[in-house]
Amino acid sequence: GAVVSQHPSRVICKSGTSVKIECRSLDFQATTMFWYRQFPKKSLMLMATSNEGSKATYEQGVEKDKFLINHASLTLSTLTVTSAHPEDSSFYICSARDTGGPRLYEQYFGPGTRLTVT
Amino acid sequence: DQQVKQNSPSLSVQEGRISILNCDYTNSMFDYFLWYKKYPAEGPTFLISISSIKDKNEDGRFTVFLNKSAKHLSLHIVPSQPGDSAVYFCAANFGNEKLTFGTGTRLTIIP
Repeated sequence: GAVVSQHPSRVICKSGTSVKIECRSLDFQATTMFWYRQFPKKSLMLMATSNEGSKATYEQGVEKDKFLINHASLTLSTLTVTSAHPEDSSFYICSARDTGGPRLYEQYFGPGTRLTVT
Repeated sequence: DQQVKQNSPSLSVQEGRISILNCDYTNSMFDYFLWYKKYPAEGPTFLISISSIKDKNEDGRFTVFLNKSAKHLSLHIVPSQPGDSAVYFCAANFGNEKLTFGTGTRLTIIP
């Protein structure tokens, strides 16, 4: 149980285009999902907290107009990287908190999406 | 302000021996601590957690120890196996909000 999927796993896009990444909780409901970014050999950097039915909460320094987050249902959150630039190339990981689970502090992570902007 | 720190970026351990990964924190309000394991190009997977009201939690080969007075926790893996080679992150939770992650320790198990 507690499986989180991400799609796509890899994407290559041209500079200036937009890319959407989906995060789904497959066997549980998640009112809260999180989006992280990981640079090579670095820790996970929390970008934003996605709340179902309301606006996302962005961490300091993360541009909300560039990284659009939509959490329209209890099992799906999307991250759209708008007007992508090469410096946006990174590994993006989502996680979800099981709303009905016994351990609300625990986050289940997706497999990640490797974004390359050319 | 790094509230969760893993001061050892890497650790090498002989197969069959004990691996000890360390983590320090500064916020005494953290109520749960978690360890995650991560392989390259994959998302982290949950290993084990501990409540701040406990000092030890064991699950198979994995044991987490918490020393609240020292604001220190450690993950023990025994016996270490080649499949344990990965990056290990400790994370801390406060009030079921976002997790705060350490910078990770790369564990290499030497056959």
